[in-house]
Amino acid sequence: EVQLLESGGGLVQPGGSLRLSCAASGFTFSNYGMSWVRQAPGKRLERVSTIHASDKIFYADSVKGRFTVSRDNSKNTLYLQMNSLRAEDTAVYYCAKCIASSLCPYDKWGQGALVTVSS
Amino acid sequence: EIVLTQSPGTLSLSPGERATLSCRASQSVISSYLAWYQQKPGQAPRLLIYDTSNRATGIPDRFSGSGSGTDFTLTISRLEPEDFAVYSCQQYGSAPITFGQGTRLEIK
Repeated sequence: EVQLLESGGGLVQPGGSLRLSCAASGFTFSNYGMSWVRQAPGKRLERVSTIHASDKIFYADSVKGRFTVSRDNSKNTLYLQMNSLRAEDTAVYYCAKCIASSLCPYDKWGQGALVTVSS
Repeated sequence: EIVLTQSPGTLSLSPGERATLSCRASQSVISSYLAWYQQKPGQAPRLLIYDTSNRATGIPDRFSGSGSGTDFTLTISRLEPEDFAVYSCQQYGSAPITFGQGTRLEIK
């Protein structure tokens, strides 16, 4: 069974940093693209970052230069390093598995990690 | 960036009725790379349809998708009680990947 388990969310002050992790199991992690998708309260889903199986990386303009996505295929884990956090980054962050190596409708999602940026 | 606009914002129907949800793109969606998701309160989205009309694994055949270019439709042929939720569309043919704002399907 495919499982994605996020960790690392929490409360952080504006300007602070957090690192999210997503532990994957039940599939060959290295063969699939992975994304971080967030949802602020009452807002539409927003793709934050994607990393393809080839390690090609994409970022939303809203996080470019502040967030860094990475993957460790030996540990079946996806990461999102978030720096210079702003109030508008407050959201539930989902780890999501692409349906293929570089094609990203998402056929599996984690349970979500809440990130709250507030003083 | 492709902006996806869904309509209606809220759809009120009864179990057993047919639901038709619309997703309109600001530009043509490449290769019909359009997906639909269902999301219930406090839960992650669930993939229903990808590539405009392909049902994801385990999705009942009462869910169907159609469309091309800039206009896409999700149809639920006969609503079951568990179908009342928020539905979002997503295009993944052009960077950045974008989502619609969602249609809330509520019990009438």
